[in-house]
Amino acid sequence: QKEVEQDPGPLSVPEGAIVSLNCTYSNSAFQYFMWYRQYSRKGPELLMYTYSSGNKEDGRFTAQVDKSSKYISLFIRDSQPSDSATYLCAMSGGYGGSQGNLIFGKGTKLSVKP
Amino acid sequence: NAGVTQTPKFQVLKTGQSMTLQCAQDMNHNSMYWYRQDPGMGLRLIYYSASEGTTDKGEVPNGYNVSRLNKREFSLRLESAAPSQTSVYFCASSENSQNIQYFGAGTRLSVL
Repeated sequence: QKEVEQDPGPLSVPEGAIVSLNCTYSNSAFQYFMWYRQYSRKGPELLMYTYSSGNKEDGRFTAQVDKSSKYISLFIRDSQPSDSATYLCAMSGGYGGSQGNLIFGKGTKLSVKP
Repeated sequence: NAGVTQTPKFQVLKTGQSMTLQCAQDMNHNSMYWYRQDPGMGLRLIYYSASEGTTDKGEVPNGYNVSRLNKREFSLRLESAAPSQTSVYFCASSENSQNIQYFGAGTRLSVL
């Protein structure tokens, strides 16, 4: 079993839909959870950052972490064609040295159709 | 706002050729990383450097060497390129007090 599992999709939705992206993980030591967005032929860029369990909202994006279930989610409300990208979850157990190394999911490719 | 700069952007090599991928960051970060990204495999860590003067192996180090030239620069060398090293290579950096990594735009490498 991989440390981080993420459905690769592809996921295609109509503009305005609510999108739910998910990752599961097996290492209970993970405490820091991130979502990166990667446009085609670009580098990943940080979208959301959360520590431990709970929710975090930023505009149309909401990140949820459920440590008891080892499950994290990213919700996109009122999705736009500009949200079309690959979304990567990432997590780590700490920061500094090898503890700060991120373990990435394989990414989910999202397409939002006008 | 340059951030993390990678050169070259594209490269085609023949099997057995060598090359060095360059990476520089201007954010005064202590840690730097090299990843490769392949379809269906996600981002895999090749090597990382937690501070100037130190380097450590990641998940897929075979066939690669790295040099942390100074705090700003971290290079990745392929001594004898193989077709299996055809990939997109990303460099990233982070501050040791947090674990948010900032990525460059990538180098697309083809080995024929």
